[in-house]
Amino acid sequence: QKEVEQNSGPLSVPEGAIASLNCTYSDRVSQSFFWYRQYSGKSPELIMSIYSNGDKEDGRFTAQLNKASQYVSLLIRDSQPSDSATYLCAVTTGTSYDKVIFGPGTSLSVIP
Amino acid sequence: DADVTQTPRNRITKTGKRIMLECSQTKGHDRMYWYRQDPGLGLRLIYYSFDVKDINKGEISDGYSVSRQAQAKFSLSLESAIPNQTALYFCATSDLTGTSGMDTQYFGPGTRLTVL
Repeated sequence: QKEVEQNSGPLSVPEGAIASLNCTYSDRVSQSFFWYRQYSGKSPELIMSIYSNGDKEDGRFTAQLNKASQYVSLLIRDSQPSDSATYLCAVTTGTSYDKVIFGPGTSLSVIP
Repeated sequence: DADVTQTPRNRITKTGKRIMLECSQTKGHDRMYWYRQDPGLGLRLIYYSFDVKDINKGEISDGYSVSRQAQAKFSLSLESAIPNQTALYFCATSDLTGTSGMDTQYFGPGTRLTVL
């Protein structure tokens, strides 16, 4: 079983809709969870980090964490064509924060 | 100026050649990382370093070596390049006390390496 799993997509949503991206992880003691956005040919950039169960909102983005079910999700409200990118879920391993494991990424396409 | 820089940005080489990829950062972070990215496989950790005297293998370290010359510099070497090392390579830094959260990764622009 891969440590961090994501649907590869592509996920297509119309402009203005809500895009929902999901991620599951295998290490029950993971403590830190991240969503990165990566445009084609560019480096990943952090969108959200979340450490506690529940929701965390930042503008149009909401991260949701459920440690009991070992999943983390990212909701993008009012999706824009500029949101079209690959979204990488990342999780720290164990309790020592010694390294971050990335999922394979979900490709999102927002259709005007 | 970019906080994390990588040189070269693109490199084409032949099988068996020795290659060095360099990374420099001005963020003042102690932690530095090397990743490779392949289509459909996401980012995979090659090596990481928590300070100048600390070097750790990641999940795919075979065929690679690293050197942490200073807090700001972390280089990746391919001693004898092979075609399946063709990939996009990213350097990253992180800081436990960062305002974006513990272990937020800050990435360089990437080096596209092709081994013929």
